[in-house]
Amino acid sequence: DADVTQTPRNRITKTGKRIMLECSQTKGHDRMYWYRQDPGLGLRLIYYSFDVKDINKGEISDGYSVSRQAQAKFSLSLESAIPNQTALYFCATSGLAGADTGELFFGEGSRLTVL
Amino acid sequence: AQSVTQLDSQVPVFEEAPVELRCNYSSSVSVYLFWYVQYPNQGLQLLLKYLSGSTLVKGINGFEAEFNKSQTSFHLRKPSVHISDTAEYFCAVRENNAGNMLTFGGGTRLMVKP
Repeated sequence: DADVTQTPRNRITKTGKRIMLECSQTKGHDRMYWYRQDPGLGLRLIYYSFDVKDINKGEISDGYSVSRQAQAKFSLSLESAIPNQTALYFCATSGLAGADTGELFFGEGSRLTVL
Repeated sequence: AQSVTQLDSQVPVFEEAPVELRCNYSSSVSVYLFWYVQYPNQGLQLLLKYLSGSTLVKGINGFEAEFNKSQTSFHLRKPSVHISDTAEYFCAVRENNAGNMLTFGGGTRLMVKP
């Protein structure tokens, strides 16, 4: 089983719909992240969380919200999806500061298409 | 603020030829540097990283990269590529005083032809 699991892997939805992407991890990491991948733009950080009570905006948080339900679970929501949110979304985890080299561990991605 | 530029969006190369994927970064402080690889329909996995010490870093699958502080570069190389190396490669930088925020380059698609 994958250490970082994302669901759904693929989703097609319509403009205005609410969408939730879920992420769970078995690595025991405290830090979790949501990234968005677009061709030619690499990965851009949407939100990150250093522990259950800590939520921070990333580079492109507008139009998104997150919830850290537990140490192992971090979900991303699009309250009212729009076509330019069509992208590949990645969840990632990393270890604690001090024992953390900065390496991220990624899920396999959730491809979202907004029509 | 840190930033990363991958100078080539696509690199076509014949099998068994050498390849270099270029990465330049900008930062006002010391950095950690990473290369990630993304195979088709998969997530990203770490190829190699530079944290400190020797500027020549060896990674998985025969790849290596050299940190050049004066040129602020971290180019990725492989002396002989295989068809299976066809993938997208991402360079990333993390400033040492920035918690754990990685900034990614735009990616380079390596296309190995038979």
